[in-house]
Amino acid sequence: NAGVTQTPKFQVLKTGQSMTLQCAQDMNHEYMSWYRQDPGMGLRLIHYSVGAGITDQGEVPNGYNVSRSTTEDFPLRLLSAAPSQTSVYFCASSYSGQGGETQYFGPGTRLLVL
Amino acid sequence: AQSVAQPEDQVNVAEGNPLTVKCTYSVSGNPYLFWYVQYPNRGLQFLLKYITGDNLVKGSYGFEAEFNKSQTSFHLKKPSALVSDSALYFCAVRDEGTSGTYKYIFGTGTRLKVLA
Repeated sequence: NAGVTQTPKFQVLKTGQSMTLQCAQDMNHEYMSWYRQDPGMGLRLIHYSVGAGITDQGEVPNGYNVSRSTTEDFPLRLLSAAPSQTSVYFCASSYSGQGGETQYFGPGTRLLVL
Repeated sequence: AQSVAQPEDQVNVAEGNPLTVKCTYSVSGNPYLFWYVQYPNRGLQFLLKYITGDNLVKGSYGFEAEFNKSQTSFHLKKPSALVSDSALYFCAVRDEGTSGTYKYIFGTGTRLKVLA
């Protein structure tokens, strides 16, 4: 089991460029989510998905798009990067259920927007 | 909407002393509460969770947390701190949305520093 994998590990973008952060999991988890981590702000939820074909917005969705065409993959797209999107991005997955399912986190993608 | 608050940015404790990392919550209904730990340049790792039942929850690496409904708190504790416990700790709550959806909301994190 590879768990939750994220690529790339580090990326530098120029303002206005677009890119996709990849996230994949091999645990057959229905629930997947994207967070950004900034100093003093903790983890903030960007988008989440309760299953293939279903996505919803979190706390800070502006500037980001997601899609969920398969159970395994949940890519995060930056359409036009801005310096405010400089952050560390974490993807997480868990089973979907009625109670408190444990989330498994990927190692993160560090993004620098110049 | 549900939320959690971690009132301390940093907690310092001497090795061998007991440690407490605080978390308070605001929820409607029964809360699902979690603690995660993040070591430098790593993703978050699950420590423990409260779903229902016993108010004292035991987790990984000797950590435990006490759920207190009257004080709306879910503090993380360990009887004897280790230098290797130094890390960033996050409290989280499951926020139930409409139409069966839900999301997880995290606190701002508390940096624990255990001094040798």
